[in-house]
Amino acid sequence: QQQVKQSPQSLIVQKGGISIINCAYENTAFDYFPWYQQFPGKGPALLIAIRPDVSEKKEGRFTISFNKSAKQFSLHIMDSQPGDSATYFCAASREYNQGGKLIFGQGTELSVKP
Amino acid sequence: DTGVSQDPRHKITKRGQNVTFRCDPISEHNRLYWYRQTLGQGPEFLTYFQNEAQLEKSRLLSDRFSAERPKGSFSTLEIQRTEQGDSAMYLCASSSRTGGAHYGYTFGSGTRLTVV
Repeated sequence: QQQVKQSPQSLIVQKGGISIINCAYENTAFDYFPWYQQFPGKGPALLIAIRPDVSEKKEGRFTISFNKSAKQFSLHIMDSQPGDSATYFCAASREYNQGGKLIFGQGTELSVKP
Repeated sequence: DTGVSQDPRHKITKRGQNVTFRCDPISEHNRLYWYRQTLGQGPEFLTYFQNEAQLEKSRLLSDRFSAERPKGSFSTLEIQRTEQGDSAMYLCASSSRTGGAHYGYTFGSGTRLTVV
């Protein structure tokens, strides 16, 4: 059963542009929403994470927007760079009841053109 | 190196053989997780340990799969009688309960299994 749906599957952005990736979840018990970046041959690395008590979190060029009523959250990458080209995964978790198990979306392959 | 280490990085095995993977977590982390990732998909949770106790197993973890963390440090994942459908990247992650279950959540680079 798919609990976290991610779109688009792939994304091409020009250097300096804004990359936007969206996720939707079903389980209202989720209380932790991270985004991961994965390069080929490497494990996922945490980029930024948010909890449902805030609507936005910004770290450098990366921003998460969170809409609790719509059960959606998105990642915005400002001033996208070729080095940002990677696969991005959203995830969700019920931290306090399930000890940190992450449910991942299907991934978005981002390509930033110079 | 203070990251999560996985060994081997690559494994090619014949169908029906048994394989074992090892994960060494970050030393102060007490939680250890195993995930499986197939091409073009996100990681799927398999199981997790808090210290040496295995607290949850996914339905994906069939009877052919077994995981251990005997002394609460490194962990092993064994697959018996491998099938072609077991071909995937097997990822290990660790985290510390201090500050919450997600504190310091770090993935290793994975073991890529190919069953021929």
